[in-house]
Amino acid sequence: SYELTQPPSVSVSPGQTARITCSGDALPKQYAYWYQQKPGQAPVLVIYKDSERPSGIPERFSGSSSGTTVTLTISGVQAEDEADYYCQSADSSGTYGRVFGGGTKLTVL
Amino acid sequence: QVQLQESGPGLVKPSETLSLTCTVSGGSVSSGSYYWSWIRQPPGKGLEWIGYIYYSGSTNYNPSLKSRVTISVDTSKNQFSLKLSSVTAADTAVYYCARELELLSLSEGFDYWGQGTLVTVSS
Repeated sequence: SYELTQPPSVSVSPGQTARITCSGDALPKQYAYWYQQKPGQAPVLVIYKDSERPSGIPERFSGSSSGTTVTLTISGVQAEDEADYYCQSADSSGTYGRVFGGGTKLTVL
Repeated sequence: QVQLQESGPGLVKPSETLSLTCTVSGGSVSSGSYYWSWIRQPPGKGLEWIGYIYYSGSTNYNPSLKSRVTISVDTSKNQFSLKLSSVTAADTAVYYCARELELLSLSEGFDYWGQGTLVTVSS
């Protein structure tokens, strides 16, 4: 099987920078996508193709890629950013279709 | 504005078949360059991709569910559907339908999601 690995939790104080990582063997060849999910709501796309930001997503959300790891960075974290964050990608062979990471709970202290 | 809405029974008995439909408004399921996916989330757990149907009608399923999953499309109703057979309690989850845009052979991600519907497997 193909897996994307995320830390279960990240905690930051308001105004600080949060970094959430996602690791996977196919990430050097496949783009990554990031979704924010708040309790009781559907996920929302916040980053696509590693570092592109959809319209309407605040500039404090950014993405980067290096080798087998991609990173979601939230600069100047606000209380409203507290949520679960999921990375998503595809395996290079196409065998596994679309794959999600296990999710990271971002806590704003 | 594109909207997706899941519908179907909220309770399914073990060993039976789960059937859900996603109705798309503000866009067409037969328009080019879109994948239409089902994604689920067990209570308190993470997201799991179930499979997709492409606008052309081709499908791709999660290997772990492939033997039990069928995704189909009804262009006359602008809907796509999920059937998951031989369900067990482990299939209890919120089921989402979602749209994925493909441009120049590259995914733009899941840009539109339904609100999700909870399906409980229990006798």
